[in-house]
Amino acid sequence: AQSVAQPEDQVNVAEGNPLTVKCTYSVSGNPYLFWYVQYPNRGLQFLLKYITGDNLVKGSYGFEAEFNKSQTSFHLKKPSALVSDSALYFCAVSYLSGGYNKLIFGAGTRLAVHP
Amino acid sequence: GAVVSQHPSRVICKSGTSVKIECRSLDFQATTMFWYRQFPKQSLMLMATSNEGSKATYEQGVEKDKFLINHASLTLSTLTVTSAHPEDSSFYICSARLDRTEAFFGQGTRLTVV
Repeated sequence: AQSVAQPEDQVNVAEGNPLTVKCTYSVSGNPYLFWYVQYPNRGLQFLLKYITGDNLVKGSYGFEAEFNKSQTSFHLKKPSALVSDSALYFCAVSYLSGGYNKLIFGAGTRLAVHP
Repeated sequence: GAVVSQHPSRVICKSGTSVKIECRSLDFQATTMFWYRQFPKQSLMLMATSNEGSKATYEQGVEKDKFLINHASLTLSTLTVTSAHPEDSSFYICSARLDRTEAFFGQGTRLTVV
């Protein structure tokens, strides 16, 4: 079955330090991978995506992610965290099923950046 | 990016009544829209895939008679929660896709059934 795993429920990091939010996936074929951020009682905001090409993808608000095919991972990173980065982050993967492009999500990781 | 508008953002209804949630793609035509449900502190669970002009495709375990989906035009999909009960209280989010590489989300609807 297709799946996305985010092994950490919460990540705590001090402001100014680098952050990593982990994501692994299990999808047949070539996956399209995404990261989204969610603030309380809001929809999802797109951060970045990997479709093809360079394994290092740069996105919004200084975030980047590295696609690693051998490890089936797509970890989200940022060199210097801000308190305003505190939110809920979702990794997602798009795949074809029954003729439709489905998008499924990991369980989410809550990022807490402390001053 | 493209804009997806979801309405209402918040609704409170009495147990046994029905509630309709609208999802509109404002500046593009979406042949396919998706409906998700999110419980507190949990991920988004795909409920169904809504296709313009045809019946929706429901995920396993989702009651199609409970959650009625209509995709009457290329810019509008609706989710109706019929005979709502307190356990249906949740955060519902719609998504419209341009293709496999792009997905845009509505702002979500907080449904509370009392």
